[in-house]
Amino acid sequence: ETGVTQSPTHLIKTRGQQVTLRCSSQSGHNTVSWYQQALGQGPQFIFQYYREEENGRGNFPPRFSGLQFPNYSSELNVNALELDDSALYLCASSLAGGARELFFGEGSRLTVL
Amino acid sequence: EDQVTQSPEALRLQEGESSSLNCSYTVSGLRGLFWYRQDPGKGPEFLFTLYSAGEEKEKERLKATLTKKESFLHITAPKPEDSATYLCALDSGGGADGLTFGKGTHLIIQP
Repeated sequence: ETGVTQSPTHLIKTRGQQVTLRCSSQSGHNTVSWYQQALGQGPQFIFQYYREEENGRGNFPPRFSGLQFPNYSSELNVNALELDDSALYLCASSLAGGARELFFGEGSRLTVL
Repeated sequence: EDQVTQSPEALRLQEGESSSLNCSYTVSGLRGLFWYRQDPGKGPEFLFTLYSAGEEKEKERLKATLTKKESFLHITAPKPEDSATYLCALDSGGGADGLTFGKGTHLIIQP
């Protein structure tokens, strides 16, 4: 069974740039959600994708967007990066309709300078 | 608005010294309460789900319990490898609304 994998693991961007983070979900899981974790904080829900459509969103602006592909992998895109976007971005997969346990990847550490 | 408060923020114990971590919550309708373990620089690792008051679950040295207002994670005779941040999270029944996480308790077990 393959777990959740994310890439890249670390990246540095400058303010105003755009970034794309990628995630492959755990085998058999059809739902992907993304979380932002600032240093010393708990993860905050960004959005969730099911059947290639966004079906839930947290309190994040539209410059945070995503995609889910037919193989259930996913991308998180952030435009017009701000300093406060520096965080660990976590992808989690789960099975729709089942228990809500999330299985997280190792995360992508984004630093915005 | 759903809220999760974890205490203490940090806890340092000697190896073998048992203790409990607290997760207090307010929620309109609880579908599940989750405990995760997070090692530095890693993603959270699922531990337990609790669904109703009175429920208990155990795994090795960890035991999670749930009341109508709080959950406890009891750690019995901990070892240094139990050192991690423990996160509590709520599923309030929004379906696609995501989990609401607390800030976590940073646990250090000294040999």
